[in-house]
Amino acid sequence: EAQVTQNPRYLITVTGKKLTVTCSQNMNHEYMSWYRQDPGLGLRQIYYSMNVEVTDKGDVPEGYKVSRKEKRNFPLILESPSPNQTSLYFCASQGTATRGTQYFGPGTRLLVL
Amino acid sequence: KQEVTQIPAALSVPEGENLVLNCSFTDSAIYNLQWFRQDPGKGLTSLLLIQSSQREQTSGRLNASLDKSSGRSTLYIAASQPGDSATYLCAVAVDSSYKLIFGSGTRLLVRP
Repeated sequence: EAQVTQNPRYLITVTGKKLTVTCSQNMNHEYMSWYRQDPGLGLRQIYYSMNVEVTDKGDVPEGYKVSRKEKRNFPLILESPSPNQTSLYFCASQGTATRGTQYFGPGTRLLVL
Repeated sequence: KQEVTQIPAALSVPEGENLVLNCSFTDSAIYNLQWFRQDPGKGLTSLLLIQSSQREQTSGRLNASLDKSSGRSTLYIAASQPGDSATYLCAVAVDSSYKLIFGSGTRLLVRP
C-alpha cells in the first residue's frame, strides 16, 4: 500500500529538549515536504526537498532542521523546541514525473511545555 | 503573494442536500488546484486535482470547477451523507517547486 508514515503520532515534550519526527514514504517519490497546521492559519510549509541531499526552506523554517540522506526518509528536527512550535505537523511526498497529487502522512501532534 | 481563502469556515446541512464549498485565490498563475479532505486524527486525503488547463474534475458525487481568470474554485457535493462530515481544504500549486498554498478549510457537518 502506497503511504507516508510519521512517527511519533503524538508527542509531549519540554522546552529545549531536542526531538526528531520521522517521515518515510514507500512510493519512490523525489519530492518531500513538511507542513505545520495551526488554527486559523491553515497549513504552512516548513521545509521541502526535491531529492536526496537537496533541501530548501519553506515559509516558516525558523527553529527547524531537516535532512534527506535517503530518498524514502525526510526527518524533521527541532533542536531546541519552544512553546510556539506546538502544532500539528504533516509530512507529504509527490512524484515529479507527473504533476499529480501530494500524499500526506497522518500527522504528528506536538505539545511543547 | 498567493493567498487562498475558503468560505464559509463552517457549514451544517441536513443529509441529502446538495452543497457548494468555495475557494478563492489571489494570483491566477497557478499550476494546479487540489481539494483535500481532512478527518480528525488522520492526514489529508486528496479528492480532486484540477490542472491549470482544465475547467473541472469529477469523482463520484464530487465535482470541482476551476476558473483561473476570476481566481475561484468550487467543490460541489451531491446528495450529502453523514460520512461526508470532515474539513475540506483547497490548495493551489504555485510554481515548479511543488509547494502548496492552503486555505484554512471549511468544516462540514452533515446531520442525519
